[in-house]
Amino acid sequence: EDQVTQSPEALRLQEGESSSLNCSYTVSGLRGLFWYRQDPGKGPEFLFTLYSAGEEKEKERLKATLTKKESFLHITAPKPEDSATYLCAVSNFGNEKLTFGTGTRLTIIP
Amino acid sequence: NAGVTQTPKFQVLKTGQSMTLQCAQDMNHEYMSWYRQDPGMGLRLIHYSVGAGITDQGEVPNGYNVSRSTTEDFPLRLLSAAPSQTSVYFCASSQAGTGDEKLFFGSGTQLSVL
Repeated sequence: EDQVTQSPEALRLQEGESSSLNCSYTVSGLRGLFWYRQDPGKGPEFLFTLYSAGEEKEKERLKATLTKKESFLHITAPKPEDSATYLCAVSNFGNEKLTFGTGTRLTIIP
Repeated sequence: NAGVTQTPKFQVLKTGQSMTLQCAQDMNHEYMSWYRQDPGMGLRLIHYSVGAGITDQGEVPNGYNVSRSTTEDFPLRLLSAAPSQTSVYFCASSQAGTGDEKLFFGSGTQLSVL
């Protein structure tokens, strides 16, 4: 059974204070690892897909990286508008469905 | 384009009542799905469809029914609501035709069952 564990559950940063969110996973055969952003009262919004260890993707202040056991979402010099819950999900070659983690709630303090 | 549209936004039911959560997408996506989101748990797949006339069960299908008569619409029916079905429900669609590529989510329906 695929499993996704995200840490920390919640993170408070000062504006401009860089940090990383962690997503550890167990999957029989990784097809893809996904990062989504979810704002309060909204549905998740797609950020990145990573397919193989060593792959990196960037978007504005966010950079996602992937190893064989975990993924990191690095946030550089965050702004208050980066406050959201960040969700990680994995899929395997067997069922082509997503298994989601419980998310990291990120708060950026002005 | 409106994307994925869900209605209603909020709903309160009494135990035993039935209702239908509506989902429509205007992106011509073949794949559509329903998830529920509960505190402390990740999004869990309820039912999904890979095209009109084709539906299948996800991880937590009990107590829910779906049908897909058109590409655009994928309603979720609660047959006899139970307090355990109190949750936030999200509809999602995918251009890729599978459930593990980039998903477009609706804004959700918050359901309370008393």
